[in-house]
Amino acid sequence: GAGVSQSPSNKVTEKGKDVELRCDPISGHTALYWYRQSLGQGLEFLIYFQGNSAPDKSGLPSDRFSAERTGGSVSTLTIQRTQQEDSAVYLCASSLRGTKNIQYFGAGTRLSVL
Amino acid sequence: AQRVTQPEKLLSVFKGAPVELKCNYSYSGSPELFWYVQYSRQRLQLLLRHISRESIKGFTADLNKGETSFHLKKPFAQEEDSAMYYCALSLQGAQKLVFGQGTRLTINP
Repeated sequence: GAGVSQSPSNKVTEKGKDVELRCDPISGHTALYWYRQSLGQGLEFLIYFQGNSAPDKSGLPSDRFSAERTGGSVSTLTIQRTQQEDSAVYLCASSLRGTKNIQYFGAGTRLSVL
Repeated sequence: AQRVTQPEKLLSVFKGAPVELKCNYSYSGSPELFWYVQYSRQRLQLLLRHISRESIKGFTADLNKGETSFHLKKPFAQEEDSAMYYCALSLQGAQKLVFGQGTRLTINP
């Protein structure tokens, strides 16, 4: 694809609802990352996938957050029982294996929890 | 814990003036440092990485292990340099990036 694609671009939800955020990486990129950017904060790492496996989930803030990746391509980040503090921009990035950390970012999903 | 510090949230300089965006890190291992940039209404993108030792858009950054710094410099700022700049650290053996909080650079005409 032309770049990392994220959907939706904006999501407004009510506190307590579940949300799913989608990331479609650049074709052929085996590594996929999720980050979160809260108001006034830097980018915070959430989870890293290599293929369909997630060897590093250390950044997931609570068990309400989960992510999966299927077919070594699309990834979904799910937030259950959303809270107001979950409001943030969620960024996805992908990279080629062997080009460690030249990460290509999507435009992000802006999540607002009311 | 690993940390990246960008002490200036906002930096404003005049066109043609030199600019330096500061970045300090704390990490006991062998670091890999990056600068990422986000222009208005664009996505975050890599500007440069220390192992490449290259100049991109006139910007350079030198890794100083003694001072644990990776400051970004440009001798003559241009208006199109106005953007949000993030310094990032990659840990040895890990894939994730640890980002600083970013510096918003504004170049005044």
